[in-house]
Amino acid sequence: GNSVTQMEGPVTLSEEAFLTINCTYTATGYPSLFWYVQYPGEGLQLLLKATKADDKGSNKGFEATYRKETTSFHLEKGSVQVSDSAVYFCALFNQAGTALIFGKGTTLSVSS
Amino acid sequence: GAVVSQHPSWVICKSGTSVKIECRSLDFQATTMFWYRQFPKQSLMLMATSNEGSKATYEQGVEKDKFLINHASLTLSTLTVTSAHPEDSSFYICSATGELTEAFFGQGTRLTVV
Repeated sequence: GNSVTQMEGPVTLSEEAFLTINCTYTATGYPSLFWYVQYPGEGLQLLLKATKADDKGSNKGFEATYRKETTSFHLEKGSVQVSDSAVYFCALFNQAGTALIFGKGTTLSVSS
Repeated sequence: GAVVSQHPSWVICKSGTSVKIECRSLDFQATTMFWYRQFPKQSLMLMATSNEGSKATYEQGVEKDKFLINHASLTLSTLTVTSAHPEDSSFYICSATGELTEAFFGQGTRLTVV
C-alpha cells in the first residue's frame, strides 16, 4: 500500500541554522510528492512538489529532490527564519490519482 | 494555483444537531475530493474519498452514517456531521484534485460541539 514516513519532531533550531526534515515513502508506480506547510491556526499550503524522479521542488528557500532509488523526498533549507516555524507535512499522491497520503507532520520551531 | 473554497471556516453547534461543511473548487473541475480530520497536534486523518456522482469510499473506522459525504457535481462536495457530539469537535479539511497531479486544499473548518 501507499505510506509516508517522516521524521518526528519537534525540531528546534536557531535562526539561520540548516534544516533537514526526512521523508520516505512507499508506493507502487510513480507517485507525485509534496511538502505542505501549516502555520499556526491556518490551513494547509503547498510548499513545493515534484512529479517525477530526480525532479527538485523549490520554494521560499526550501528544496526537496525526488529520489526514486531511495524512495525519499527530504526537505531542506539552508538558513531558517523565525517565520518558518510551522508544521510540515510530506505527502504523496499516487499515480492512479486515488490516494493522497500524508506523513504525521513535523513541528519546526525557530528561535531568534 | 487552483482555488478550493471551504465553508464555514468555523462553526459552533449544540450536541445532537447536524452540521454541513461545503467544499467548492472555484476554477477547476474536481473529479476527486478527499475529506480529512485533524486533531490538535496530530496529522491529517483521511476520512473518505469521493468521486463525482458516486458513493464515497470511507476509511476503516469512519462511520459513514455519521459523516455523510455528497459529491453531486464536479465543483461541490459536502460533509455533514450528523447528530454531532463533543468528541466530533475537530478541524476538518477538504482537498480536491482534477486533471493536475496536485491536490488543492480548502481553508479548513473548525467545528466545536458544545
